[in-house]
Amino acid sequence: GIQVEQSPPDLILQEGANSTLRCNFSDSVNNLQWFHQNPWGQLINLFYIPSGTKQNGRLSATTVATERYSLLYISSSQTTDSGVYFCAVEPGGDYKLSFGAGTTVTVRA
Amino acid sequence: KAGVTQTPRYLIKTRGQQVTLSCSPISGHRSVSWYQQTPGQGLQFLFEYFSETQRNKGNFPGRFSGRQFSNSRSEMNVSTLELGDSALYLCASSGTGLAGYTFGSGTRLTVV
Repeated sequence: GIQVEQSPPDLILQEGANSTLRCNFSDSVNNLQWFHQNPWGQLINLFYIPSGTKQNGRLSATTVATERYSLLYISSSQTTDSGVYFCAVEPGGDYKLSFGAGTTVTVRA
Repeated sequence: KAGVTQTPRYLIKTRGQQVTLSCSPISGHRSVSWYQQTPGQGLQFLFEYFSETQRNKGNFPGRFSGRQFSNSRSEMNVSTLELGDSALYLCASSGTGLAGYTFGSGTRLTVV
């Protein structure tokens, strides 16, 4: 099956800093999503971004489908940005998401 | 509109028992999928249903089963529970638009 690799595994930031999370995948996909898992376990959808660039407030994401990677940018980080960020992909006709191992982000005040 | 609803939120069961988890998708969504999350294995796909038909199944033993009803609500069942089945079980629904999957809050199952 498709392989999804996220880096770095852990990220410690000072409040106000910017950061970039990366997701590499091994095959072409119809769907790519970035999620933030809240402390209660729910996966909050940040972006649906199989290609192109999107922005939502301090977060933005870019997927270069031809090169099989996606980047999630966090700008002016806040303590509420702490948590685990997952990249998930779906090849065409798979009807399932394959997840990376996640990046644990800790933002310190 | 209401999101994906999973019940119950927490569950404690004894080894050997069986358990049923429920998921109500976003209104209008006909696809429901289930995932298991454990610290050791991460997020793993269990199965996906669309219009009461299973379209894909993950690599889990036959003790894990699911079904979908005509109103798109789905249930998953785990029989003969083992300690290793302790996990967060997440349900997701998706529609026909280009929006991907929306997840529920999950059911945290503890097997003792």
